[in-house]
Amino acid sequence: AQRVTQPEKLLSVFKGAPVELKCNYSYSGSPELFWYVQYSRQRLQLLLRHISRESIKGFTADLNKGETSFHLKKPFAQEEDSAMYYCALSGPMDSNYQLIWGAGTKLIIKP
Amino acid sequence: NAGVMQNPRHLVRRRGQEARLRCSPMKGHSHVYWYRQLPEEGLKFMVYLQKENIIDESGMPKERFSAEFPKEGPSILRIQQVVRGDSAAYFCASSPYTNTEAFFGQGTRLTVV
Repeated sequence: AQRVTQPEKLLSVFKGAPVELKCNYSYSGSPELFWYVQYSRQRLQLLLRHISRESIKGFTADLNKGETSFHLKKPFAQEEDSAMYYCALSGPMDSNYQLIWGAGTKLIIKP
Repeated sequence: NAGVMQNPRHLVRRRGQEARLRCSPMKGHSHVYWYRQLPEEGLKFMVYLQKENIIDESGMPKERFSAEFPKEGPSILRIQQVVRGDSAAYFCASSPYTNTEAFFGQGTRLTVV
């Protein structure tokens, strides 16, 4: 079954510490993986996608097909990174709206 | 561009009442998508609409739920005879074309008491 698992509901780290938000997936094929972020009182927005291989706001994520993971990392957390983070997956033939979503991880950066 | 606007942000309904959730897409966007997020779960696709047409409603519950996107005005997600299990966050997204990045609204949190 296609599934996205974010094992941590809540992650709390100190400012300046490294951050890693975990995402594991189950999919029989070559999926496309995404990270979305929702800051307090703001809209859900795309943070990055694995095919872009980009770094946004200091965050990176590498698709590890062997471990079926797409963990989101940032070497030095900032207070403005506090938000809800969602990992999502789509199949190569799926349309843009047919994403499978994880339940999200709430990231709190402590001063 | 004000972005995707959803209202109300919070809606409380008693069991058996009707809930109407509105979504105004971004200017120039004619594709609208509705998602539901139950507590402790990820977003689940419900329905995809283009102006005056339902393109994909494979995620919509068969009863009590309906959606429309009229030629003029916002898209409406309507839930009749709400039950406690309908309590959730409902998100709307829009895109200018099919298979392009969709932009989300802030969501409507429905609470059924």
